[in-house]
Amino acid sequence: AQSVTQPDIHITVSEGASLELRCNYSYGATPYLFWYVQSPGQGLQLLLKYFSGDTLVQGIKGFEAEFKRSQSSFNLRKPSVHWSDAAEYFCAVAPFSGNTGKLIFGQGTTLQVKP
Amino acid sequence: EPEVTQTPSHQVTQMGQEVILRCVPISNHLYFYWYRQILGQKVEFLVSFYNNEISEKSEIFDDQFSVERPDGSNFTLKIRSTKLEDSAMYFCASSEARESITEAFFGQGTRLTVV
Repeated sequence: AQSVTQPDIHITVSEGASLELRCNYSYGATPYLFWYVQSPGQGLQLLLKYFSGDTLVQGIKGFEAEFKRSQSSFNLRKPSVHWSDAAEYFCAVAPFSGNTGKLIFGQGTTLQVKP
Repeated sequence: EPEVTQTPSHQVTQMGQEVILRCVPISNHLYFYWYRQILGQKVEFLVSFYNNEISEKSEIFDDQFSVERPDGSNFTLKIRSTKLEDSAMYFCASSEARESITEAFFGQGTRLTVV
């Protein structure tokens, strides 16, 4: 069965420090991969996505993610975290199809940013 | 920028009552979805809807749930007889229908509290 694992439930980093959020997936083929962010009381905002091509993808708010097929991973990174990045981050996968609306989400990682 | 809108933002209902959650997808989108997120848990797919019929549904989407597109703009989720365990954040999403890769855009969510 398809699944997404985010090993870190909660991460705390200092403002200005670098960030890496881990995501591993289990799927028979290379799925479409997404990272979403959910600020308190808000909906899900797409940070970035990987469909094919360059395995390092750039997203909004200075985030990037790298797809590693050999590790079935799609880790999210940011070189310097800002206090406004405090939120919950979800990795998601979608089956390889023409429409990727059906998503399978990970448990989420809550990011706390220390001043 | 076009967005998916959901109403109400928060709904409180008594157990056993019917509730209708409303969504206005992005106007040129043709695929519609409902997801839910029980507090502290992952976001879960409920149902997808295309061409006025359900295209896929999860195990969660049992006979108590139904979806409808009553007019050209709204997309609704009805829960016939709410249970305490239906308390969750419900997200509507929509995506374009085209042969190339698409992505889903999420609304802000409706928090349903069953008492």
